[in-house]
Amino acid sequence: GESVGLHLPTLSVQEGDNSIINCAYSNSASDYFIWYKQESGKGPQFIIDIRSNMDKRQGQRVTVLLNKTVKHLSLQIAATQPGDSAVYFCAESSGNTGGFKTIFGAGTRLFVKA
Amino acid sequence: ETGVTQSPTHLIKTRGQQVTLRCSSQSGHNTVSWYQQALGQGPQFIFQYYREEENGRGNFPPRFSGLQFPNYSSELNVNALELDDSALYLCASSLGHFSRAFFGQGTRLTVV
Repeated sequence: GESVGLHLPTLSVQEGDNSIINCAYSNSASDYFIWYKQESGKGPQFIIDIRSNMDKRQGQRVTVLLNKTVKHLSLQIAATQPGDSAVYFCAESSGNTGGFKTIFGAGTRLFVKA
Repeated sequence: ETGVTQSPTHLIKTRGQQVTLRCSSQSGHNTVSWYQQALGQGPQFIFQYYREEENGRGNFPPRFSGLQFPNYSSELNVNALELDDSALYLCASSLGHFSRAFFGQGTRLTVV
């Protein structure tokens, strides 16, 4: 069935280094991809999104890359800070007037070492 | 703060009972989605409402139902509660499909 998965369940990086979180998806019809950050006891927080007609999008310290050929999504965080420690989810959205849905991956926990 | 509020924050119910969870969406947002998040897992899509109509549903049984009101607030109803329904229930609002969604803090439901 359709799924969005992550290659690494945990990632530990040194403060100041760059972080890369990867995600694979299986629905080639997905139109919209999103990265969320979730801290303990809180709801997911939007980080960055990208539409299927793009392959790269940059935000503040974050970059999302989309490779539709291999159905791969990645989140790059520059100069990782202790406040970046959280669980990161990728999500894909698809649909049309007949119905929409969003599928989340299982998540990657990012630890930032001071 | 996202502007999305959920109530109650915590709830304990007995197996077989019914529960209603509420979500107030961010001002101007016409789309609300509901998710179930079990401990240590990613959110699972339950359904989405757009302008008061359900327009997308995940793999959840019919005992999970919802409503969206004219002011775009929403309810999630779960009948015949089962132990496995214990989870964090999240709602998210957005302006239409394929746009930035803002999540509430969630309702922690425990079924005993």
